[in-house]
Amino acid sequence: GAGVSQSPSNKVTEKGKDVELRCDPISGHTALYWYRQSLGQGLEFLIYFQGNSAPDKSGLPSDRFSAERTGESVSTLTIQRTQQEDSAVYLCASSPPGAARGYTFGSGTRLTVV
Amino acid sequence: AQSVAQPEDQVNVAEGNPLTVKCTYSVSGNPYLFWYVQYPNRGLQFLLKYITGDNLVKGSYGFEAEFNKSQTSFHLKKPSALVSDSALYFCAVRDGGGGFKTIFGAGTRLFVKA
Repeated sequence: GAGVSQSPSNKVTEKGKDVELRCDPISGHTALYWYRQSLGQGLEFLIYFQGNSAPDKSGLPSDRFSAERTGESVSTLTIQRTQQEDSAVYLCASSPPGAARGYTFGSGTRLTVV
Repeated sequence: AQSVAQPEDQVNVAEGNPLTVKCTYSVSGNPYLFWYVQYPNRGLQFLLKYITGDNLVKGSYGFEAEFNKSQTSFHLKKPSALVSDSALYFCAVRDGGGGFKTIFGAGTRLFVKA
């Protein structure tokens, strides 16, 4: 597609439920990243995928968070047993091959845990 | 590990005046440096980057940034601010020595008054 697509755009869930967020990167972009932006905060790195290499999961805040990506296509970020502190905007970005490229961000998924 | 600091939460400037948004960084290898902008109710957009070469890099919307190795800084500048430049600006750094993880600063909110 023309841009990075994220769905849903908004998600309200009850505390303790699991949620799944989806990211569809730009075709041909081998790298895919997940970030979290809490109200009034900067971007917190969560995880990135680069081609077929092992993902860098160093930013995942707890074992309730996990992400998958099949090849160079869609990625899903799953949060199990959601907590109120998980409320944030979850941003996905992708970039072409080469470390020196800027990212293209999606519009994000606003997650609210009530 | 890399890190980024944006010392100002907010910058206020009058339209037509020059603006500077400050950023300092820390990486173990050569830095790849980026600026992104987030307009209200819109996604993050790539503005400019420094990888190598001239210390002064030019980007979108008339913005430029100056890489200063000795001061480990990458301040964003524009000679004449516009009201439409009002937005949230993020500085980001990647360690050019390896890996694809990009760390973002906390962001600086720019207000340009007419």
